[in-house]
Formats: sequence, C-alpha cells, structure tokens
Amino acid sequence: EAQVTQNPRYLITVTGKKLTVTCSQNMNHEYMSWYRQDPGLGLRQIYYSMNVEVTDKGDVPEGYKVSRKEKRNFPLILESPSPNQTSLYFCASSSTPGRSFSNQPQHFGDGTRLSIL
Amino acid sequence: AQKITQTQPGMFVQEKEAVTLDCTYDTSDPSYGLFWYKQPSSGEMIFLIYQGSYDQQNATEGRYSLNFQKARKSANLVISASQLGDSAMYFCAMSSNTGTASKLTFGTGTRLQVTL
Repeated sequence: EAQVTQNPRYLITVTGKKLTVTCSQNMNHEYMSWYRQDPGLGLRQIYYSMNVEVTDKGDVPEGYKVSRKEKRNFPLILESPSPNQTSLYFCASSSTPGRSFSNQPQHFGDGTRLSIL
Repeated sequence: AQKITQTQPGMFVQEKEAVTLDCTYDTSDPSYGLFWYKQPSSGEMIFLIYQGSYDQQNATEGRYSLNFQKARKSANLVISASQLGDSAMYFCAMSSNTGTASKLTFGTGTRLQVTL
C-alpha cells in the first residue's frame, strides 16, 4: 500500500530535549516536505526536499533541521524544542516535475501531534 | 508571493444539499495548480480534486467539482448531495514554481458541518 509513515503519532516532551520525528514514504517520490498546522493558520511549510541531499527552507524553518540521506526518509529534527513548537506536524511527498509547478497531489502522513511543555 | 484566502471559517449545510466553499488566490505566476484537501476530525489530509491554470474545463471528481474562474482568481469547491461524512475541515492550496522548486501554499481552511 502506498503510504507516508510518520512516527511518533503523539509526543509530549519538555523544553530543550532534542527530538526527531521520522517520515518514510514507499512511493519512490522525489519531493518531500514538512508542514506544521496551527489553528487559524492552516498548514505552513517548514522544510522541503527536491531529492536526496537537496533540502531547502520553507516559510517557517526556524528551530528545525532536516536531512535527506535516502530517498524514502526525511526526518524532522528539533534540536532544542520550545513551547511555541507545540503543533500538529505533517510530512508529505509527491512526484514532481521539479522546475515547474506541480500537478501531482501531495500524499500526507497521518500527522504527529507534538506538545512541548 | 503566493497567497490563498478562504474567507469562510465555518459553514453549515443540510444533508443532501449542495454547498460551495470559497477560495481565492493571488499569484503572479502564469502557471499554477489548485488543490482541495479534506481533513476529517481524525486528522489525516485527503486529496480531493485538482485544477491546472491552463485547464479549459472545470475539474470534477464524483460529488466534488471545482468552479474555476481564472479572471477572478477563484477556485471554489462545490460538494453536491452533502453527506454526514463530509463534515470536516477543507483546505484550498496552490502549487506554483518558486524558481527552484514547486511550492504548495495553503489557505486557513473552512470547517464544514453537515446537519440532518
């Protein structure tokens, strides 16, 4: 089954304790992206990756890191989490032409609800 | 910069009626794509329908259709014959070329409640 898998689904942690949210897709997609969803703000892009070893900042990258060492995996790293990073996080992937707008829908994971105390 | 505006925070519709969810967008790119996603209370994001900026006809997918008016920069989602299972959050999104990558920009969403 084609899917994007995020782990964990839920996490409560404390300020400053490094954490990683994993994301894996089995569709051989080039494009992967992380979003955060906050009430009244919709989804905002944190980082994206066009392919292995190619990553770039989205609209709200501060406080986050990513890596893309393998095509299927795109982990999101919070080196020193703070309460304002409490949010619902989504990983997504799609095949994409790359240098043009994409007509491919993004496939989303089920989300990770992060609470930072 | 790309921007998506959804002006209806919440909508109610009776079962079996049709409902239109509004979406306007702003972009200077000549080519772009418009998407609608559904987010039920369980939280997952479900792709519903896509419209390309150069598509001549409005997109349809089952009970979903997209009323695309390019000159007005609007891409409203029409759901016909509403069902209780349509109660969810709906997001409009636009894909455009940033010069280095394809970017997806989301609106703030409309919460639809289908009533008996």
